Amino acid sequence: EVQLVESGGGLVKPGGSLRVSCAASGLIFTNVWMSWVRQVPGKGLEWVGRIKSNADGGTTDYAAPVKDRFIISRDESKNTLHLQMKSLQNDDTAVYYCVTHLRQSYYFDNWGQGTLVTVSS
Amino acid sequence: SYDLTQPPSVSVSPGQTASITCSGDKLGDRYVCWYQQKPSQSPVLIIYQDSRRRPGIPERFSGSNSGDTATLTISGTQAMDEADYYCQTWNSTASTVVFGGGTKLTVL
Repeated sequence: EVQLVESGGGLVKPGGSLRVSCAASGLIFTNVWMSWVRQVPGKGLEWVGRIKSNADGGTTDYAAPVKDRFIISRDESKNTLHLQMKSLQNDDTAVYYCVTHLRQSYYFDNWGQGTLVTVSS
Repeated sequence: SYDLTQPPSVSVSPGQTASITCSGDKLGDRYVCWYQQKPSQSPVLIIYQDSRRRPGIPERFSGSNSGDTATLTISGTQAMDEADYYCQTWNSTASTVVFGGGTKLTVL
């Protein structure tokens, strides 16, 4: 059974930085494309960005609102996905979900429980 | 940017058929998937590649996609189907993903 466990959320001031992580198990992590999806409490889903498997180049793409502020990386030795966030703004407040891609598609077949990031002074 | 539009809410009586639409420019030229999210839970992929059900998803859930509209149909809707439903597609050229705004399905 695939398990994705996010951690690292919390309260951060506007302009600050934060790194959230996702520990993956029950899958061959090195083969899997991963994304981050966020959700403002009570609102809809928003894709944040994706990292391909190393075998597929390990490349990243980001949604326009976070491009140049957020960086996705993966640690194959620890089966862990990271999301480094900087220059955080109030509207980055959301639950951040770690998700896996079904094969090399853009269907998200496994979701973590999410970690809440609150940006507030 | 590409937008997907869903009705904010749909109501259905138990045992009836619920249809949730997702509209976008030439959406039928893209693949669409659907997620179900119940309160305080993470989303679950229920339909992918327009109409393929994920393992363990009841047969009462079906999907279609043509023209500018994709549709999630729930036949014989049950109280347990009450949830938020999101459609999603992607732009393969730009490698970006877009979600619809979500539809709250009420079974009453």
